[in-house]
Amino acid sequence: LAKTTQPISMDSYEGQEVNITCSHNNIATNDYITWYQQFPSQGPRFIIQGYKTKVTNEVASLFIPADRKSSTLSLPRVSLSDTAVYYCLVGVINQGGKLIFGQGTELSVKP
Amino acid sequence: DAGVTQSPTHLIKTRGQQVTLRCSPKSGHDTVSWYQQALGQGPQFIFQYYEEEERQRGNFPDRFSGHQFPNYSSELNVNALLLGDSALYLCASSFRVSGNTIYFGEGSWLTVV
Repeated sequence: LAKTTQPISMDSYEGQEVNITCSHNNIATNDYITWYQQFPSQGPRFIIQGYKTKVTNEVASLFIPADRKSSTLSLPRVSLSDTAVYYCLVGVINQGGKLIFGQGTELSVKP
Repeated sequence: DAGVTQSPTHLIKTRGQQVTLRCSPKSGHDTVSWYQQALGQGPQFIFQYYEEEERQRGNFPDRFSGHQFPNYSSELNVNALLLGDSALYLCASSFRVSGNTIYFGEGSWLTVV
């Protein structure tokens, strides 16, 4: 399973776009990139998943360059409620529940 | 459609005691995994159950054991509790062969005193 590196913390203000970059230099051919969001005292919540190029859903976009050695989670116009820890995970899709979490990025959104 | 449900939400145990945590997977899911999350850390994989058998295991001692029932629900048992076992225990479910995303429950907070 590829190791991931992401910033420990980030600060932002309401209404701004936030980009969190994750490095995964040893990503394997079959690996997908998945991002989870976790609020204090709650379980992680799936945000977005992708393999290459760009993926967009109702809450975020995921940008993956051609070499796939990094990825960027983009949160448009953040609000105070987006304050959470964001985890980048890399692994084979549907590997039966074994996810390797790193430290995550603690995003703090200020008014 | 019920998501992953866990019980109890909070509990306090004494060192040396045993604890059982319970999990019901999301409807349609047949695979259950358990994670331990210490304060300020990311979740750590304990083990995974599929077809009532332990399929994968993380780096946890044998004091941690589990079970999966025919209805796909699962239990996590921890024996001889240590202070260091205090953590949020998360259950996650998935459907093994479809490629669906893994969904987490809200967790069970265990405090060992």
